[in-house]
Amino acid sequence: AQSVTQPDIHITVSEGASLELRCNYSYGATPYLFWYVQSPGQGLQLLLKYFSGDTLVQGIKGFEAEFKRSQSSFNLRKPSVHWSDAAEYFCAVGVSGGSYIPTFGRGTSLIVHP
Amino acid sequence: NAGVTQTPKFRILKIGQSMTLQCAQDMNHNYMYWYRQDPGMGLKLIYYSVGAGITDKGEVPNGYNVSRSTTEDFPLRLELAAPSQTSVYFCASSTSGSGNTIYFGEGSWLTVV
Repeated sequence: AQSVTQPDIHITVSEGASLELRCNYSYGATPYLFWYVQSPGQGLQLLLKYFSGDTLVQGIKGFEAEFKRSQSSFNLRKPSVHWSDAAEYFCAVGVSGGSYIPTFGRGTSLIVHP
Repeated sequence: NAGVTQTPKFRILKIGQSMTLQCAQDMNHNYMYWYRQDPGMGLKLIYYSVGAGITDKGEVPNGYNVSRSTTEDFPLRLELAAPSQTSVYFCASSTSGSGNTIYFGEGSWLTVV
């Protein structure tokens, strides 16, 4: 079965600084990979997803993520963080074929200092 | 553009009471899910459904029941509420097939006292 690890529970950055949130997955074949964002008191919203092709994926709100097969990673990046980016970020992994039940990581809480 | 709608948004239950969390989607999605979210624990899948009349257990099904009589609705029933069921519950849906975006409701905050 697939699994996903987000090693950082909290990340604190200053507004305007760059951001990288880590995500590692475990799956025997090429997975489907997702990043979701959860603003306080809200449900989750898709930021971006990777299926195949270009390993650098662009998403909404200026986020991008890079799939690195050799490292089993799918890290989320943003060159300049805004205060409104403070939220919980979830990485998820899905598999091809059969019922589509993705597995979510435990989330990383992003704190943005002014 | 409603998407996934959950009710109620907030509820306080006494130990031993029962209740149903309602979930409806208007996107004609085949797949529907119920997750619970506890602080620092991410999302845990309770039950899911791949179509009307078909449901299956997820990771943490004990104490819950679901039904899927229509494509649109996927209610979650809590029987004999316990303090361990205090959590935030999210309903979600997606089209069938792998790799499709999952759309979430805004959540239902449940406290069992």
